[in-house]
Amino acid sequence: GESVGLHLPTLSVQEGDNSIINCAYSNSASDYFIWYKQESGKGPQFIIDIRSNMDKRQGQRVTVLLNKTVKHLSLQIAATQPGDSAVYFCAENSGYSTLTFGKGTMLLVSP
Amino acid sequence: DSGVTQTPKHLITATGQRVTLRCSPRSGDLSVYWYQQSLDQGLQFLIQYYNGEERAKGNILERFSAQQFPDLHSELNLSSLELGDSALYFCASSPWTGDAFFGQGTRLTVV
Repeated sequence: GESVGLHLPTLSVQEGDNSIINCAYSNSASDYFIWYKQESGKGPQFIIDIRSNMDKRQGQRVTVLLNKTVKHLSLQIAATQPGDSAVYFCAENSGYSTLTFGKGTMLLVSP
Repeated sequence: DSGVTQTPKHLITATGQRVTLRCSPRSGDLSVYWYQQSLDQGLQFLIQYYNGEERAKGNILERFSAQQFPDLHSELNLSSLELGDSALYFCASSPWTGDAFFGQGTRLTVV
């Protein structure tokens, strides 16, 4: 069936580097996408979202890029900090259906 | 703190038993989602309620059921529990059927 998936299960970066986490989605009807961060022992935390009528959205140190042509989503984290270490999930929503999550990418930030 | 409250935080029970997980959504949120998270499956959508009515169903087993009450809190009932049901169960709420804010989860261990 339709699914959301992540290319890289683990991403290791140095503190201060920029991080890019990628996500491919397969449902072309999806019109809303969210990135979540999940720290150990906690629930997923909303980071940033983007609608399908946009191709870029910026937050504080984070940017989400959406390429509908190739059905690709990315999360860029600027000046990555140790506190950014977590599992990151992308999720898609198509109309009234609920959010479908990918399996997640673990980001490891070393000092 | 997302504003979504889940109880209990931890639950240990024996196979064949039945348990009830409880979720209080954020104030004003009409939509409640339930997700199951296990190590090898990521976040799996179980079921969604909107203002007391079932809105969407995902990979929810027949042994599992849920409901949303008039005060908008929700309960997830898991019966005839099996070892494989051990997982983190998350509740999320949303003012509409789109983004979702997650609780801290209930860790269920079936022994």
